[in-house]
Amino acid sequence: DGGITQSPKYLFRKEGQNVTLSCEQNLNHDAMYWYRQDPGQGLRLIYYSQIVNDFQKGDIAEGYSVSREKKESFPLTVTSAQKNPTAFYLCASKRQGGNYGYTFGSGTRLTVV
Amino acid sequence: SQQGEEDPQALSIQEGENATMNCSYKTSINNLQWYRQNSGRGLVHLILIRSNEREKHSGRLRVTLDTSKKSSSLLITASRAADTASYFCATDPYTGANSKLTFGKGITLSVRP
Repeated sequence: DGGITQSPKYLFRKEGQNVTLSCEQNLNHDAMYWYRQDPGQGLRLIYYSQIVNDFQKGDIAEGYSVSREKKESFPLTVTSAQKNPTAFYLCASKRQGGNYGYTFGSGTRLTVV
Repeated sequence: SQQGEEDPQALSIQEGENATMNCSYKTSINNLQWYRQNSGRGLVHLILIRSNEREKHSGRLRVTLDTSKKSSSLLITASRAADTASYFCATDPYTGANSKLTFGKGITLSVRP
């Protein structure tokens, strides 16, 4: 079955550490997205990529980095510069070329310890 | 930045009743989408309505869009306990390669058995 896989499901980060969240899709979608969800604030866009080797900043990109070396993969690194990284992170993908909905992964819950 | 604002923030109804949720937005859109999220899970795409459409149906879901008022409503008829979830509206100002969804803060729906 096609879908998006996010791993790990839970992640704990110590102060000053960088951590990388994985997102892989086998839907052959061109566009991929990273959102952050905090309680009561809905989803906010971190980074997105419409094509391999290209990506754009979203509304809250500071303290995060991404790469898009393969169509199937869009990993997100939460760097030590992100001062409040505890949140639920959601990856999504979208079929290109028209009005389509997004397909979401099941999320990664990141906690700073 | 939050584009969509859902109303009410929380809704509690009896099984079998209809649930109506509203969304208002601020800037022009290409399409508006509704998503469901069960607790601790990823989002599931429910329905997409384009800016030149006024009403759309999918099973027990009915969505309306009024671009002059910059508002949309989602109606779930004959609700079930399994409909208990958070519901988000999301707007996309672009189509195709430039798609970028902006989400509201969500509505928590509780359906009592």
